[in-house]
Amino acid sequence: DTGVSQDPRHKITKRGQNVTFRCDPISEHNRLYWYRQTLGQGPEFLTYFQNEAQLEKSRLLSDRFSAERPKGSFSTLEIQRTEQGDSAMYLCASSLGSYNTEAFFGQGTRLTVV
Amino acid sequence: QQQVKQSPQSLIVQKGGISIINCAYENTAFDYFPWYQQFPGKGPALLIAIRPDVSEKKEGRFTISFNKSAKQFSLHIMDSQPGDSATYFCAASSGGYQKVTFGTGTKLQVIP
Repeated sequence: DTGVSQDPRHKITKRGQNVTFRCDPISEHNRLYWYRQTLGQGPEFLTYFQNEAQLEKSRLLSDRFSAERPKGSFSTLEIQRTEQGDSAMYLCASSLGSYNTEAFFGQGTRLTVV
Repeated sequence: QQQVKQSPQSLIVQKGGISIINCAYENTAFDYFPWYQQFPGKGPALLIAIRPDVSEKKEGRFTISFNKSAKQFSLHIMDSQPGDSATYFCAASSGGYQKVTFGTGTKLQVIP
């Protein structure tokens, strides 16, 4: 499968714990995006990487959230001290760097904070 | 601030009918308008997209109509099929990259 891969698919954690998600983009894609989708809503942009550089962060990305893409390939999204409001689907997408080329989404990681 | 407004929230259409979903945007800097289809447990998948220099784009049974002056666009699904049952999101982006602002989604159910 050469699509965007996310791991894990599901994560249940207790409030206050830290969690980390991983995204493996399509191999030749140099852009990588993280989105958050809550139930019944459309995805909301969190952050964006061009290669290893994090170029934009949404104000939704509080200080408890950090994302990295250390070698310009896979990316991780860490949430520290999770809160119940963090429960959502976390989606990763990747694309080539050309103007308005399609971004391909992974299947997401569903986080439940109990 | 909701920059892309989508309606209806849900839609039931009989097999063979036409499904119509409407969206309106506020930010005149948007220059790319994709529609995504999402099945339960899956990520969104690009269905069809349009740029504001054309008023209509058709791909198979799917058509986008675009009205730049009204800042509105819509998706028409002709000959709707039960396999089209999914959630549809309109979206918009600007600046030549794919930071996408999504609408709130329309849950479409096509009944036999």
